[in-house]
Amino acid sequence: SQTIHQWPATLVQPVGSPLSLECTVEGTSNPNLYWYRQAAGRGLQLLFYSVGIGQISSEVPQNLSASRPQDRQFILSSKKLLLSDSGFYLCAWSHGGDTQYFGPGTRLTVL
Amino acid sequence: GQQVMQIPQYQHVQEGEDFTTYCNSSTTLSNIQWYKQRPGGHPVFLIQLVKSGEVKKQKRLTFQFGEAKKNSSLHITATQTTDVGTYFCAGVLRDTGRRALTFGSGTRLQVQP
Repeated sequence: SQTIHQWPATLVQPVGSPLSLECTVEGTSNPNLYWYRQAAGRGLQLLFYSVGIGQISSEVPQNLSASRPQDRQFILSSKKLLLSDSGFYLCAWSHGGDTQYFGPGTRLTVL
Repeated sequence: GQQVMQIPQYQHVQEGEDFTTYCNSSTTLSNIQWYKQRPGGHPVFLIQLVKSGEVKKQKRLTFQFGEAKKNSSLHITATQTTDVGTYFCAGVLRDTGRRALTFGSGTRLQVQP
């Protein structure tokens, strides 16, 4: 069966520090991968999605970037965090436009 | 721009009352999916509707896809405290070239025991 992992589960970082969040999927190949951000009590904002290794589509201009170095690995990064980067970061996978399966998420607090 | 809106944003009901959330898209959807996110958790897939006018039921939950494939609804009969959470609709916007799901803004349901 397929599983999706995210780490860390929680993170507290100072403004201006770098960020690296990792997401890995097991039990499937060639998944579409997604990064979302959710502010407290709000909806899901799609940040990036990827249909294959090295293929990244950015939905929102920001100081974040994403990379997909391997088929089932998706990384979200920032060189310098802003206060507004705080939120709940969710990784998800799917095949095509089908059901998305979400990871447990990372709660990021930027102070 | 194209977007998917949900109403209401928030609803507080007494246990046993019914609840409905509505999802409206500015663009025809290829399909509509519904997800539930419990407080502190991640969204979990509930169901997918594909056909115009389709209705599906899961126990106390009834999902409907509009005839024009631009709107959908989720109705919960006799809510229970386990129904607490945020309900999101999501769909693939047709004729936009966008391949990813577009999520609605969500409806947060609170159930008073």
